Amino acid sequence: ENVLTQSPGTLSLSPGERATLSCRASQSVSGNYLAWYQQKPGQAPRLLIYGASSRATGFPDRFSGSGSGTDFTLTISRLEPEDFAVYYCQRYDSAPQTFGQGTRLEIK
Amino acid sequence: EVRLVESGGGLVQPGGSLKVSCAASGFTFSASAVHWVRQASGKGLEWVGRIRSKSNSYATAYAESVQGRFTISRDDSKNTAYLQMNSLETEDTAVYYCSRHGAVAGLGGLDVWGQGTTVTVSS
Repeated sequence: ENVLTQSPGTLSLSPGERATLSCRASQSVSGNYLAWYQQKPGQAPRLLIYGASSRATGFPDRFSGSGSGTDFTLTISRLEPEDFAVYYCQRYDSAPQTFGQGTRLEIK
Repeated sequence: EVRLVESGGGLVQPGGSLKVSCAASGFTFSASAVHWVRQASGKGLEWVGRIRSKSNSYATAYAESVQGRFTISRDDSKNTAYLQMNSLETEDTAVYYCSRHGAVAGLGGLDVWGQGTTVTVSS
């Protein structure tokens, strides 16, 4: 079974700080077909990172993705107030294209 | 404008059926894979399934939790995808989103999402 485990479950930080979110796969992700999404309350998710490290349209360069194989990281270099949200990783190399359980990034 | 709009959600009794739709506009729908993702209230995202394009034989795949109960289809002449849900259980209560696979735009992941439609399974 393809399982993605995100950590931490909740991350409490202040604006201006650096955020590091982890996504670990139970089986290696082929081709680095790993995406990250941002979701704010009452809204649909929004594609943030694809191919493990390519930033989607509309997101600033303070967002970056890295990793390969089974370990992936989303980094937000300097948090802005609008960055506080829930972040999900998803593998899309093969079905089922599972999501991680999410990391809630909250204001400290 | 690239857009997906879901419709057809509602209240259904356990064991019942419901079909929700996803209408696309602003892009070449026929060339796109369409995915369904659901989210129970206060919970995370759960991938439900997907249907590929005609050039990929309209291949479908489903999450284990819905396999055999849910069916995804599409009508490219109407730019619409469908999610037929049978033998519904209370655990299927969620907001259902349709989304486009980004490959059609040279991206990966799900790059366009609808606003979601709410399905409630309750007696």
